[in-house]
Amino acid sequence: AQKITQTQPGMFVQEKEAVTLDCTYDTSDQSYGLFWYKQPSSGEMIFLIYQGSYDEQNATEGRYSLNFQKARKSANLVISASQLGDSAMYFCAMSSNFGNEKLTFGTGTRLTIIP
Amino acid sequence: DVKVTQSSRYLVKRTGEKVFLECVQDMDHENMFWYRQDPGLGLRLIYFSYDVKMKEKGDIPEGYSVSREKKERFSLILESASTNQTSMYLCASSDNSAKPQHFGDGTRLSIL
Repeated sequence: AQKITQTQPGMFVQEKEAVTLDCTYDTSDQSYGLFWYKQPSSGEMIFLIYQGSYDEQNATEGRYSLNFQKARKSANLVISASQLGDSAMYFCAMSSNFGNEKLTFGTGTRLTIIP
Repeated sequence: DVKVTQSSRYLVKRTGEKVFLECVQDMDHENMFWYRQDPGLGLRLIYFSYDVKMKEKGDIPEGYSVSREKKERFSLILESASTNQTSMYLCASSDNSAKPQHFGDGTRLSIL
């Protein structure tokens, strides 16, 4: 069985600062995918970034990067130069087989950016 | 862009009613999923489907059933709604590759 743990229920960060959202995972699979989603107050789930378990480089997408440490089973999301629009719930998720199967989600972190 | 459309953003029903939540995707995706989201619990998988007329139970299938008669449509059915099924329901779809699931806007369902 897969398990995702997000230990930060809420975070407050000053605008323009960088922020790291923690995510650890547990799985016995050799091949898996790790995802981060953003959920604004409006409710939709927005895909941010993906990391495959065999990817040697950390994934980056604009201001988002995924700090993947396989031995430690962690997949932290780093947001550089935070903006007010980054205020939202953030969910870490994983799946088997690089992502074409069902997702297991963490409980989420509510990020609030302070002007 | 992939579009996943859920039939209602908000829905209020009474205990014991049969409730249908509809989801349609327009990208010919093989896989479709139903999750429910509750505060402090994240998203939990109810049912999923890899093909037409095919379904598999997720982590919390009790009290729910699903139907997939056409590739683009995946319905979630609450046979006899109960108050503990008050929740946010999210539908998602994906194809068979290392690409993310795409989500609908969600349905906030209240059972009175």
